[in-house]
Amino acid sequence: AQSVTQLDSQVPVFEEAPVELRCNYSSSVSVYLFWYVQYPNQGLQLLLKYLSGSTLVKGINGFEAEFNKSQTSFHLRKPSVHISDTAEYFCAVSRRGNAGNMLTFGGGTRLMVKP
Amino acid sequence: DAGITQSPRHKVTETGTPVTLRCHQTENHRYMYWYRQDPGHGLRLIHYSYGVKDTDKGEVSDGYSVSRSKTEDFLLTLESATSSQTSVYFCAISESTRTSSYEQYFGPGTRLTVT
Repeated sequence: AQSVTQLDSQVPVFEEAPVELRCNYSSSVSVYLFWYVQYPNQGLQLLLKYLSGSTLVKGINGFEAEFNKSQTSFHLRKPSVHISDTAEYFCAVSRRGNAGNMLTFGGGTRLMVKP
Repeated sequence: DAGITQSPRHKVTETGTPVTLRCHQTENHRYMYWYRQDPGHGLRLIHYSYGVKDTDKGEVSDGYSVSRSKTEDFLLTLESATSSQTSVYFCAISESTRTSSYEQYFGPGTRLTVT
C-alpha cells in the first residue's frame, strides 16, 4: 500500500515570493506521482504528473515539481506566486501497473497568497 | 474540461433518510470513482467501478453502496444517512490503462449536509 504525507497543512506567502509545497510518499513499488489543485468550490484539476524520464516536471500556471527517488519526495515549486494561486493543493501517488489508475491522496496544503 | 457532471450539487437531508448522488460522464471512460473530501483527510476513495456492473470497495465504503448500469452513469447511495456522512463528494473518471495517461478527471462535487 502507498501513503502520502503533505508536510504543511497551510502555507501563507506574499505575492511574487517563491513557494515550495512539500510532499513525501511511501511505497514498496515504483509509482507515478501527481499534483492537483482545487480552487474554492470547484473540483480538482491536474497541475502536473511524473510518469518516467526527467525528474523535473513542468506543469500549468508556472508550477514545477521534482521527483527525488532517494528521498521519496515530490515537492511542488513556483518561483513567483500570484493572488490567483490561492487554492488547496493535493499530492497523489499511483502504483505503477495497477489496474484502474487508483490514486492515494495526501491531506492537502492550503496555499494562501497575500498582497 | 472532461465532461463530468454531478447531481445534485447541494443537498441537505435528515438523519436516517436514503440519498442518491449521480455522476454522469460523456467521455466513455472505463473507470469511475467516488471520493469524499473532509478537512485534513484529502480525498478518500469510497467505491470505484471498472466497467458496467463491475464495482469494488474503497478505503471508506461502510454505509455506502454504488451501481453502474451504463458506462456513463455511476450512482452513490447512502442507504440511511448519518451526520458523519456530511461531506463533499467527488466523482472522477479515468481511461483504461492500455491507453491512459494515468490521471483521473474530477467532477465539480456535491456538498451533502446531514442534519
